[in-house]
Amino acid sequence: EAGVAQSPRYKIIEKRQSVAFWCNPISGHATLYWYQQILGQGPKLLIQFQNNGVVDDSQLPKDRFSAERLKGVDSTLKIQPAKLEDSAVYLCASSLAPISGEQFFGPGTRLTVL
Amino acid sequence: TQLLEQSPQFLSIQEGENLTVYCNSSSVFSSLQWYRQEPGEGPVLLVTVVTGGEVKKLKRLTFQFGDARKDSSLHITAAQPGDTGLYLCAGDSGNTPLVFGKGTRLSVIA
Repeated sequence: EAGVAQSPRYKIIEKRQSVAFWCNPISGHATLYWYQQILGQGPKLLIQFQNNGVVDDSQLPKDRFSAERLKGVDSTLKIQPAKLEDSAVYLCASSLAPISGEQFFGPGTRLTVL
Repeated sequence: TQLLEQSPQFLSIQEGENLTVYCNSSSVFSSLQWYRQEPGEGPVLLVTVVTGGEVKKLKRLTFQFGDARKDSSLHITAAQPGDTGLYLCAGDSGNTPLVFGKGTRLSVIA
């Protein structure tokens, strides 16, 4: 069974530029999560989708971050414009169940904002 | 806001030693998950504990959930270099997103 795929694996941009990350979850997983993991910290949930609907985006900085999952499968996370403090690993995860289910994580995208 | 405190933050030990890492909170969780994350990879689930006082064993790893479901511990017996990684606990309250601790970074030296 293929795992969660993410691309790119690494991205370096200058502040005020835009960036987008892509995630392909495990086939059949209806729930998709985007997490931000700053160096030395645990993952912080940015947004949770159930199929193509948003379940929770309370910690998403909506003035600069956006995410979509138009067909209920792949998802993109965008940052526009990026700030220095956005430097982090962005993890995508998926699960069968929306609550209390095991989450399967992708390898993440390491973003460096200069 | 639910917080999970993990200790120690860093741990460096010799191969063959035993160790225990802790995950504490003032909040009650319906379940608690332990993950291991290796460099350049996402976290991988090791175990989920659900019942207060529950003990689960996974080879040389023993996980315990506190009676009050506010804390948990992970004990590793005879640590090996392959155990090296970031150990994260995550609390599930059932109706809110998982809350992750900051993790314990373990280094096992051969």
